[in-house]
Amino acid sequence: ETGVTQTPRHLVMGMTNKKSLKCEQHLGHNAMYWYKQSAKKPLELMFVYSLEERVENNSVPSRFSPECPNSSHLFLHLHTLQPEDSALYLCASSWTSGRGNEQFFGPGTRLTVL
Amino acid sequence: AQSVAQPEDQVNVAEGNPLTVKCTYSVSGNPYLFWYVQYPNRGLQFLLKYITGDNLVKGSYGFEAEFNKSQTSFHLKKPSALVSDSALYFCAVRDNRDDKIIFGKGTRLHILP
Repeated sequence: ETGVTQTPRHLVMGMTNKKSLKCEQHLGHNAMYWYKQSAKKPLELMFVYSLEERVENNSVPSRFSPECPNSSHLFLHLHTLQPEDSALYLCASSWTSGRGNEQFFGPGTRLTVL
Repeated sequence: AQSVAQPEDQVNVAEGNPLTVKCTYSVSGNPYLFWYVQYPNRGLQFLLKYITGDNLVKGSYGFEAEFNKSQTSFHLKKPSALVSDSALYFCAVRDNRDDKIIFGKGTRLHILP
């Protein structure tokens, strides 16, 4: 899984904290994604960036703020989260050209909101 | 609207036996179909995909899947299961006219020694 790395791997934060999740891809891809994986729920696509521009935001609360400074890096800034935001946050990357392109996932950040 | 269903939360198979993990889908246009596997404390790993062409697709670790347009299914199969195949498996679908990708809720596969 060295193609897509995520830091930190685990994060515990209070509801008033501000933290950021980082994702880096070493595959030369030009699209990056944030997903939320909660227990017993389908994988939820949160944000999509293509060529460093946000192309999709699936009605995600504003307490989640993405940033994509270049095609290799993706951040998810977190502030005033709720306990129900506790989940595994997965980053993925792919080529944008062609909808048949598979995604490559990082190992995820396990987030716990107290 | 596109959707994907994995009807089984869990599948148990004895080691050495064939395995099948089911997936059905619904799209407006032509489907792009994917299977991913997730091992504990890891992200999802791509296994195989169907875009066009031969209905039988072969992928990593000896897995294969058959695209059946009339039944709108894309079941994952392996002729002989290994204990190391125990993991969470996700089916995903993408409409060829849309950028959205939808994942199923996942099926946990237990291979019993």
